[in-house]
Amino acid sequence: GAGVSQSPRYKVAKRGQDVALRCDPISGHVSLFWYQQALGQGPEFLTYFQNEAQLDKSGLPSDRFFAERPEGSVSTLKIQRTQQEDSAVYLCASSLEGAGVNNEQFFGPGTRLTVL
Amino acid sequence: TQLLEQSPQFLSIQEGENLTVYCNSSSVFSSLQWYRQEPGEGPVLLVTVVTGGEVKKLKRLTFQFGDARKDSSLHITAAQPGDTGLYLCAGGGYGQNFVFGPGTRLSVLP
Repeated sequence: GAGVSQSPRYKVAKRGQDVALRCDPISGHVSLFWYQQALGQGPEFLTYFQNEAQLDKSGLPSDRFFAERPEGSVSTLKIQRTQQEDSAVYLCASSLEGAGVNNEQFFGPGTRLTVL
Repeated sequence: TQLLEQSPQFLSIQEGENLTVYCNSSSVFSSLQWYRQEPGEGPVLLVTVVTGGEVKKLKRLTFQFGDARKDSSLHITAAQPGDTGLYLCAGGGYGQNFVFGPGTRLSVLP
């Protein structure tokens, strides 16, 4: 595909369930970012990968959140024991080069997570 | 922590009107990006500004980066319904990830 894809597009989970959100970045893009966007807010940074290395995970809100990109391409964001406050749209973005001031990030459509 | 504020939070105007939205911070950014996000989609980059005082034009959109690199504005001339969306600014620092503002939700009525 030409763009960043994410799956599933929508996920409903019961409180306490584990969820896994997938991101397929643009082929050849070095950097991959995960963001959390609450309703009516801008995206908030969660974590950043350069190839398979997770260089920054300072935005992960708790140890229930875990992200991986084992082969430097597809990434998975896992949330364990989901809570209602985890309800949000989770956005993935990729860029051709490493994080930098001029690098354009291409965003996927997001996964809307609703925790009941 | 670097924070960005955007104003107004909501804006509803008639087709053909002009508008300006603002992005402000107490922090200095090495660059600033503007995105537009439509419902159910991810943000799409409109422009990156990197030099204090820089002005960039993209058709009917004019972007300005403040001299002190702490603020930016987006001006739209003769707004059209297709301009409707959430406008986000994002500030970046050297070696740092971008910080997004809360956005301005624009509605252009036909």
